[in-house]
Amino acid sequence: QKEVEQDPGPLSVPEGAIVSLNCTYSNSAFQYFMWYRQYSRKGPELLMYTYSSGNKEDGRFTAQVDKSSKYISLFIRDSQPSDSATYLCAMSADYKLSFGAGTTVTVRA
Amino acid sequence: DGGITQSPKYLFRKEGQNVTLSCEQNLNHDAMYWYRQDPGQGLRLIYYSQIVNDFQKGDIAEGYSVSREKKESFPLTVTSAQKNPTAFYLCASRNAFSTDTQYFGPGTRLTVL
Repeated sequence: QKEVEQDPGPLSVPEGAIVSLNCTYSNSAFQYFMWYRQYSRKGPELLMYTYSSGNKEDGRFTAQVDKSSKYISLFIRDSQPSDSATYLCAMSADYKLSFGAGTTVTVRA
Repeated sequence: DGGITQSPKYLFRKEGQNVTLSCEQNLNHDAMYWYRQDPGQGLRLIYYSQIVNDFQKGDIAEGYSVSREKKESFPLTVTSAQKNPTAFYLCASRNAFSTDTQYFGPGTRLTVL
């Protein structure tokens, strides 16, 4: 079993829809939780970073962490075609990151 | 502009050849990392370095080597011992006195012919 599980999708939504992305994990040592966005053939860019359980909002993006259930989510409101990308969840322990496989999202105009 | 640069963007190698991928950062970060990304898989850690002149193996270090002679540079050599080297290689760095977040370069696509 992988330490971090992420549904690879692909996920296709119409413009303006809410995109919901999820990851589950098995390692209780994970302390920090991140979401990265990766456009095709580019390096990942950091979107959100959270530490504690609960919600964190940044513009159209909301990251949610539930440590008791070992479950994290990313919500994208009012999705735009420019949000079409692969979204990677990542979690850290001992200064090393473990990544999900990534979910490919397409927002249709 | 602060950031991480990787070169070249595309690299072609014949079987049996060693090749070195460059990674440079001007963020003054202490820690640097190399990952490999294959289609449908998450990033897998090859090597990492927390300080100059020190580095550790990651999950898939076999067939790779690194050096860390300068804070801003962390080159990766893909040796002929790496059985399946065709992949997208990503370099990242982290501020050791800040959070665990890592910042990535643009990547190098290596293809073995």
